[in-house]
Parts: sequence; structure tokens; C-alpha cells
Amino acid sequence: EPEVTQTPSHQVTQMGQEVILRCVPISNHLYFYWYRQILGQKVEFLVSFYNNEISEKSEIFDDQFSVERPDGSNFTLKIRSTKLEDSAMYFCASSEEWSGTLDFGDGTRLSIL
Amino acid sequence: GNSVTQMEGPVTLSEEAFLTINCTYTATGYPSLFWYVQYPGEGLQLLLKATKADDKGSNKGFEATYRKETTSFHLEKGSVQVSDSAVYFCALLDMDSNYQLIWGAGTKLIIKP
Repeated sequence: EPEVTQTPSHQVTQMGQEVILRCVPISNHLYFYWYRQILGQKVEFLVSFYNNEISEKSEIFDDQFSVERPDGSNFTLKIRSTKLEDSAMYFCASSEEWSGTLDFGDGTRLSIL
Repeated sequence: GNSVTQMEGPVTLSEEAFLTINCTYTATGYPSLFWYVQYPGEGLQLLLKATKADDKGSNKGFEATYRKETTSFHLEKGSVQVSDSAVYFCALLDMDSNYQLIWGAGTKLIIKP
């Protein structure tokens, strides 16, 4: 069964550095998303992406963040100048349509030191 | 704005007990409703969904009925197993915000043998 894959599973970075989180969505899906989950807290929407552009972004998704689909398979989240509070689990998801039925990856645990 | 409220956890039950996890929502219109599950160390998986009032979603012995009159979507299972131990998230599809998922805080379920 096709699945969303995320790499790396765990990323440790010094504060102020840039990180790129990578995702390979399911191949026939058209809609892509990033969510994050700070330990013990709610799942928070970051951004959705369709047709090579951002469809919606939350207040969290400020100028520090960017997304890109550099080729036909990858979908990346870049965080510039990381802060301690960026430490969280970041989940990539994809879907065939705007239906709420999302397929999630297993997440990347980002630890900022 | 739209929101989802879940009962706080953790919920601890013995194997074969009856499970209810409460979820209520606030929304304009009639959004689609979802239960997602997160097993330890894994990503989020869709458990079940309902797209209109009085619909019942079901999967793996779990059920939830979309109740418009009480704005609820409670998750139930007649006989839980140790393998059901996970965090359960209720969510709604926010059609006012370009079809974002709005998440509840999650309810941790612990099943003891």
C-alpha cells in the first residue's frame, strides 16, 4: 500500500541553523500539507500546498518557514534560523482531494538545542 | 471560529471494557468529522469519518455517529484490546478555511491486560 515517507526520522540542530525536512507524498495525490505537534500538545496546521503554490497557511507559518516541491516527488519544509520553540514533531500529509482524508507520514522529530 | 473539544485523558481501561471518548464541535454549517489515531512512535492514521448528519463511521470495531443536534461525534468501541492503546484525535474539516483540518487536543487511551 502506498504511503507517505518522511526523512529524517529525527533531526537535531543548533539554534539559529536552517533545517530542511523532507517528504515524499503518495504519487497520485495532489494536495500536500505540513502539520506539527509540540510534545503533549495539539496537532497544529502549518500549510497546505496545491498546484505548486501555497493554498493556505496558519499564523505559525511565518517568514521563517517555506515549502517547496523541487521535483515531481519531494515536498520539503524549510525552517530558517531555528528557535528552541520550533522543537516538535513535524508531520507531512497528502490527499487526493480537499476531503480531510489525509495520509500522514510517521513524522520527523526536530530537536533544537 | 470552528473548534473541536475532546475529553481529557489519559483514559485507562481494562481489556474488554466498553470505550467512549467524547468529542464535541463548534462549526458553521455541517463539516465532515473525523477520528484519527496515533499509535506509539507512529504517525496519524485515519480511523473513521462521517460526512453528514446521522452518518455513522466505523472501522476496526470503533464507531462514531455524527449528531447534529448535540454537535457531537463520540468514539465508541464495545470491547477494547491492549493493541488499541494510542492517542485518539477528533477533527473537523473547516470549509471556511480552505478545507483545513481543525484538531481536538487528543485523548490518550491506555488499555491494561
